[in-house]
Amino acid sequence: NTKITQSPRYLILGRANKSLECEQHLGHNAMYWYKQSAEKPPELMFLYNLKQLIRNETVPSRFIPECPDSSKLLLHISAVDPEDSAVYFCASSPGTSGNTLYFGEGSRLIVV
Amino acid sequence: SQLAEENSWALSVHEGESVTVNCSYKTSITALQWYRQKSGKGPAQLILIRSNEREKRNGRLRATLDTSSQSSSLSITATRCEDTAVYFCATSSGSWQLIFGSGTQLTVMP
Repeated sequence: NTKITQSPRYLILGRANKSLECEQHLGHNAMYWYKQSAEKPPELMFLYNLKQLIRNETVPSRFIPECPDSSKLLLHISAVDPEDSAVYFCASSPGTSGNTLYFGEGSRLIVV
Repeated sequence: SQLAEENSWALSVHEGESVTVNCSYKTSITALQWYRQKSGKGPAQLILIRSNEREKRNGRLRATLDTSSQSSSLSITATRCEDTAVYFCATSSGSWQLIFGSGTQLTVMP
């Protein structure tokens, strides 16, 4: 699926700040960040629908999303923790209720 | 907490055989989706079945939905090695969140 691109694909961090980027070329209104830890299903972190943020309240405050325009999504991570090691997927959908989600290839974060 | 659950953690079959993955869920839903995730890739949707539908097909795939027992199944016929993946059911209940089950690892052996 080359219609949702994520960068970087791999990221190895100590306790540093970094940002993940996502861009979708599908004209969708909703964009998502999902976290997938090893052997687990994807878990929703944030949703932007028409640039309005809906947040999963369990996500630590060191994760800050940003939606500069309707096709781009950023995830700023500060002072990462070893439990943040996971694959972070960007996804998009036409709307938010009962819609198909289209996932990117993911950004693998390794915290050392 | 998981609101949707696949009933098997792992399944293995030989190429050409048929296999069924089952899913049960706990809430009233508007739609149920089946996703496949191959190693190193993002999930990809296979089938979306709405609460007023009982069956949906997509090539070798067939999904069923039983809202009375709150369960769904995904059947794959004539399996191929490339069907090896984790299969997730995911439910939506009219709100914005899509809840994924824990997934079933399917291995198709030559």
